[in-house]
This record gives sequence, C-alpha cells and structure tokens, in this order.
Amino acid sequence: DSGVTQTPKHLITATGQRVTLRCSPRSGDLSVYWYQQSLDQGLQFLIQYYNGEERAKGNILERFSAQQFPDLHSELNLSSLELGDSALYFCASSDTSVSYNEQFFGPGTRLTVL
Amino acid sequence: AQKITQTQPGMFVQEKEAVTLDCTYDTSDQSYGLFWYKQPSSGEMIFLIYQGSYDEQNATEGRYSLNFQKARKSANLVISASQLGDSAMYFCAMREGPSGGSNYKLTFGKGTLLTVNP
Repeated sequence: DSGVTQTPKHLITATGQRVTLRCSPRSGDLSVYWYQQSLDQGLQFLIQYYNGEERAKGNILERFSAQQFPDLHSELNLSSLELGDSALYFCASSDTSVSYNEQFFGPGTRLTVL
Repeated sequence: AQKITQTQPGMFVQEKEAVTLDCTYDTSDQSYGLFWYKQPSSGEMIFLIYQGSYDEQNATEGRYSLNFQKARKSANLVISASQLGDSAMYFCAMREGPSGGSNYKLTFGKGTLLTVNP
C-alpha cells in the first residue's frame, strides 16, 4: 500500500458525460501528479500540483482540468468524454524534501467510456 | 525523439535465473534521475529502484540492481534469482532536472512485459 488513495476504482460512463476522479496523497506530501495510461499512448503525464498551485502541465486535453484543495487532495475532472478517454488514470504524490522525489502511485481509476 | 526507450516488448526468464531489462534515455540535462517501476496484472505501480545522474555507484535494492552507464545513456534493470511473482510489466522512467525540486514529471518508456517460467 503506497498510502495514496484514489476513488472510484472503476468508472463506466457514456460519451459526452463528465466525471470526477479523486486522489488523496500520502500524509505530508505536497505534490500531486496525474498520469493517464492507455494502450496506444502508454503512461503519460497530465498535470502536477504543488501545495494547491499548478506547477507543470503535460499532455492534458482542454476538456480535462484538475485542482488541489487546501487539504491537499486533488480532483481530475474529465468532460465531454470520448471513447478514446478510456484509460487507467493514476494519481501519484511525492515528498519534495527527500533526496530523489520518488513518486508513490495510487491504485488508479479505470475509466471506461461507452 | 523518444526520451525513454525500452526495446524489449516482452522477455522470458526461468525461475531462479537473472534477467536484464534494457532502458536507454535521452536528455540534455546534467542532473536527472532514473526510476524503475513494476506494474503487476492488478494494475498498481510499484517503485523498485532509483539512480541519480551524479550517483557514482550503481543502485541496488535487494534482488534489483541498476546497471547505469552514463556515457551510453543506459539504465538497465537487473533482477537476480527471478521469482514467479516477478512476472509483470516493468517501466523505466526519467525525471529531468535536479532532485528536491517542486515541479517535475516522470517520462515513462513503453514497458517490458516479463514472464517468469517455472
């Protein structure tokens, strides 16, 4: 158990819908990262938050948005869903005070868009 | 150009033997970090080992060791005494920039599926 929690574990929805994925980082970790894992694109970085502020952006679509709240949990919002958004979405957290910033991954949310 | 290249889509190894999973990387940064993660069929990502670009010795963690050849830009994972539970997808990843920063991402390779045969 990495200490990172993600809910829900599975999500099945229809095209055009909007969903919210939730992540709670390890206790004390200020950084939260979101990654998308799909068969065709592999594991891709989406976005990073540090202590409530957006710090880095990767291949995140405009239909997707994220935020980190004062209690450090984060939410990834996916809207106008398309079939190609079906993927495993990981949240990871890290403690930037340790030497190499290992990222601890949550169990992931498997999103299926029908 | 791909930043992380894992050329072996699949590998097979006999139980109790050693196996090397290849990883080459591309960066112009002097300070960077290399990670290996394991993803079993259950889906979670498990951190295995880390190597910093300025680390002079190869990293080791139990049965895992990282064969770091900086000039060749390779960071191969060596698993000794393979076990059936080692069957999983293995990902090499890179952090560009110095450690201790507050904003960086991991760039992952496409992974190698390791199967350990009894």
